[in-house]
Amino acid sequence: EAQVTQNPRYLITVTGKKLTVTCSQNMNHEYMSWYRQDPGLGLRQIYYSMNVEVTDKGDVPEGYKVSRKEKRNFPLILESPSPNQTSLYFCASKRLSSGRAKSYEQYFGPGTRLTVT
Amino acid sequence: DQQVKQNSPSLSVQEGRISILNCDYTNSMFDYFLWYKKYPAEGPTFLISISSIKDKNEDGRFTVFLNKSAKHLSLHIVPSQPGDSAVYFCAFTPGGATNKLIFGTGTLLAVQP
Repeated sequence: EAQVTQNPRYLITVTGKKLTVTCSQNMNHEYMSWYRQDPGLGLRQIYYSMNVEVTDKGDVPEGYKVSRKEKRNFPLILESPSPNQTSLYFCASKRLSSGRAKSYEQYFGPGTRLTVT
Repeated sequence: DQQVKQNSPSLSVQEGRISILNCDYTNSMFDYFLWYKKYPAEGPTFLISISSIKDKNEDGRFTVFLNKSAKHLSLHIVPSQPGDSAVYFCAFTPGGATNKLIFGTGTLLAVQP
């Protein structure tokens, strides 16, 4: 089954304690992305990756890091979490658009609800 | 600066009637608009899309309308079913950045039996 998986699904942590949220996809997609969803703000992009070892900032990258060492995995790292990073996080993947081969639909994971106290 | 706005945070409709969800945007340069549907405790799933060169796209009970002069997008669901109850997000791909999606704030649709 084609899917995007995230772990953990729920996480409660304390300010300053480093954490990693994992994301994996089995569709051989080049493009992967992280979003956060907050009330009244919709989904906002944190970081994205066009392929292995290629990552770039989205709209709200402050306080986050990512890495893309393998095509299927795209972990989100919070080196020193703060309460304003309490949110619902989604990982997504898609086939890369290039030239005439356009691809618009992104496939989302089930989400990770993070609470930082 | 919110480029895509869904001004109705919630909408309640009777089963069998039409649901109309609206989306207004400010950026005139885009390739595609998409609608995503999200159930609680699940990730968003793709529902329907429309390209910038069309004004209507239909898929079963779902129809998306694009009014470029008004910078307005709408999703019609008819007839509405209780299983349609979810949060609906509109999103668009900016022109020249087809790998990016910019999302609206979402509308919670409740279809009453």
